[in-house]
Amino acid sequence: NAGVMQNPRHLVRRRGQEARLRCSPMKGHSHVYWYRQLPEEGLKFMVYLQKENIIDESGMPKERFSAEFPKEGPSILRIQQVVRGDSAAYFCASSLRQGDTEAFFGQGTRLTVV
Amino acid sequence: SQELEQSPQSLIVQEGKNLTINCTSSKTLYGLYWYKQKYGEGLIFLMMLQKGGEEKSHEKITAKLDEKKQQSSLHITASQPSHAGIYLCGSPTDSWGKLQFGAGTQVVVTP
Repeated sequence: NAGVMQNPRHLVRRRGQEARLRCSPMKGHSHVYWYRQLPEEGLKFMVYLQKENIIDESGMPKERFSAEFPKEGPSILRIQQVVRGDSAAYFCASSLRQGDTEAFFGQGTRLTVV
Repeated sequence: SQELEQSPQSLIVQEGKNLTINCTSSKTLYGLYWYKQKYGEGLIFLMMLQKGGEEKSHEKITAKLDEKKQQSSLHITASQPSHAGIYLCGSPTDSWGKLQFGAGTQVVVTP
């Protein structure tokens, strides 16, 4: 049973480009959480999604960031017109049930904006 | 909003020695999770505590949640190089399961 899979592991983008980060939850999990870890900072919650629904996006920056979790396929975190301050590690976690906080984390995607 | 403060921020321990990391909350904890992160990797779940006074152990790692449920400690006995990494405590902030994390404690184990 594969764990939470994130790809790519490393992503380099030039300022102004778009970044797409993918997260495939564990088999059977329909709840996905995205977190961001900025350099020298702790993990911060970004968004919580269930299949086809955004449940809580209170941690998402107001502009340029969006997330989706379609009926089929992985969850996508999309960052438009990236800036250097977006450079960070982005982690995805999945759980079987809502509130099942023993969430399983992926290896993360390390985004570098040059 | 709840804040989690970890101490120390970092520590260096000689192999074979014990170490303790603390996680203090500004509010009552309704669950406390400990994770370990190695550089460049994801989070590895270590333990979950829910009840005041609860204590759990796995191999050489013991975690406790104090009676008043506002502080947790993680204790490693006879540390080994494999214990090196960043230890994070996290607590759910609502019923949906999103976690708030402490800033982490970096542990270095020297020969």
